[in-house]
Amino acid sequence: DQQVKQNSPSLSVQEGRISILNCDYTNSMFDYFLWYKKYPAEGPTFLISISSIKDKNEDGRFTVFLNKSAKHLSLHIVPSQPGDSAVYFCAARGNAGNMLTFGGGTRLMVKP
Amino acid sequence: GAVVSQHPSWVICKSGTSVKIECRSLDFQATTMFWYRQFPKQSLMLMATSNEGSKATYEQGVEKDKFLINHASLTLSTLTVTSAHPEDSSFYICSASLPQGAFFGQGTRLTVV
Repeated sequence: DQQVKQNSPSLSVQEGRISILNCDYTNSMFDYFLWYKKYPAEGPTFLISISSIKDKNEDGRFTVFLNKSAKHLSLHIVPSQPGDSAVYFCAARGNAGNMLTFGGGTRLMVKP
Repeated sequence: GAVVSQHPSWVICKSGTSVKIECRSLDFQATTMFWYRQFPKQSLMLMATSNEGSKATYEQGVEKDKFLINHASLTLSTLTVTSAHPEDSSFYICSASLPQGAFFGQGTRLTVV
């Protein structure tokens, strides 16, 4: 039973446009959500996070939106750059501990 | 930001041998570390939770005797793949959590031949 889902395995966007990566979750006990970026053969790097008490968090080109009623979060990257091409994972953390539950990842390709 | 260092970054070993992977938190103490495995084109799968000074907690389906975890200090956790087989070939990643989120090591590419 996948508690965190990223339904789009891949996304292709033109440079300069907006990239929107989506993530859905089922466990209402999750109270903290994170986005990670991963290049091949490297560990994930933290991008941005959001607490369940907020509905938006912005950091430079990255904005994460959280819709608790829909159990949905999204990562917006604008403007997209070719260097943003990577696999993006959303992750959720429950209040019972520090363990993260990951979505399946979305491969973003930003074309010049 | 917090730094987690994982070593080695890649290793090739013969079938039947054991391989040890180290995960260190460089600028903070981590009572809990996590070990993940990633298969090609798949998400990160949690293997086990490493607890300093006590036994690791393994996820369902992960063989405890095959994937030995030791967390002897607040800055070091090790994962030993014992009697490795080709199907153990994968990308292994450790992480340590702080309140602001989890920080990951660089990962280890294990190839068993």
